[in-house]
Amino acid sequence: DAGVTQSPTHLIKTRGQQVTLRCSPKSGHDTVSWYQQALGQGPQFIFQYYEEEERQRGNFPDRFSGHQFPNYSSELNVNALLLGDSALYLCASSSFTSFGSNTGELFFGEGSRLTVL
Amino acid sequence: DAKTTQPTSMDCAEGRAANLPCNHSTISGNEYVYWYRQIHSQGPQYIIHGLKNNETNEMASLIITEDRKSSTLILPHATLRDTAVYYCIVRLYSGGGADGLTFGKGTHLIIQP
Repeated sequence: DAGVTQSPTHLIKTRGQQVTLRCSPKSGHDTVSWYQQALGQGPQFIFQYYEEEERQRGNFPDRFSGHQFPNYSSELNVNALLLGDSALYLCASSSFTSFGSNTGELFFGEGSRLTVL
Repeated sequence: DAKTTQPTSMDCAEGRAANLPCNHSTISGNEYVYWYRQIHSQGPQYIIHGLKNNETNEMASLIITEDRKSSTLILPHATLRDTAVYYCIVRLYSGGGADGLTFGKGTHLIIQP
């Protein structure tokens, strides 16, 4: 049973460019959340997608946008990259619908490390 | 969500119990205490969670004080692979899905051989 998979694992961009990161949730999960983790800091919540809609959003500018596809996979897009966007981007999945077995546990991927030069 | 306070770092000898404290004095009655850990270069991993009763699973035990203002995560027999950053998180569990978690800086636990 594959866990959460993210791609690419590493990438380098320059300021002003745009980037797209991809995430496939754990089998059976239908909810995807994205987090940004700067060096030495804890992960910061960006947003969460369920039923192809943004359900909750953290304190991130509109340059950060996302999408969820019918197969529950998700993309994170960041436009007009800044040096400060350099971070590890984590995707986490969970199951919204299986209430009986849902502990509220999030399953995280290994992350995509973005470097902005 | 209520904020949490954790020590920045802790050491523990291999084979001994590691006790990681967390203060959450502003926790409300319907907020849960969750623990995650993050091993270097990996995504965070769920450990355990609880509301007011002590909890135990195959990874750890969670002790929550009666007033719920603090808790302790216990790794009963720490190994070198338990070296990681441990995050204590307080959140409202709505029952459906999982709302955004608020991570602090966590405790860097170092297991010494």
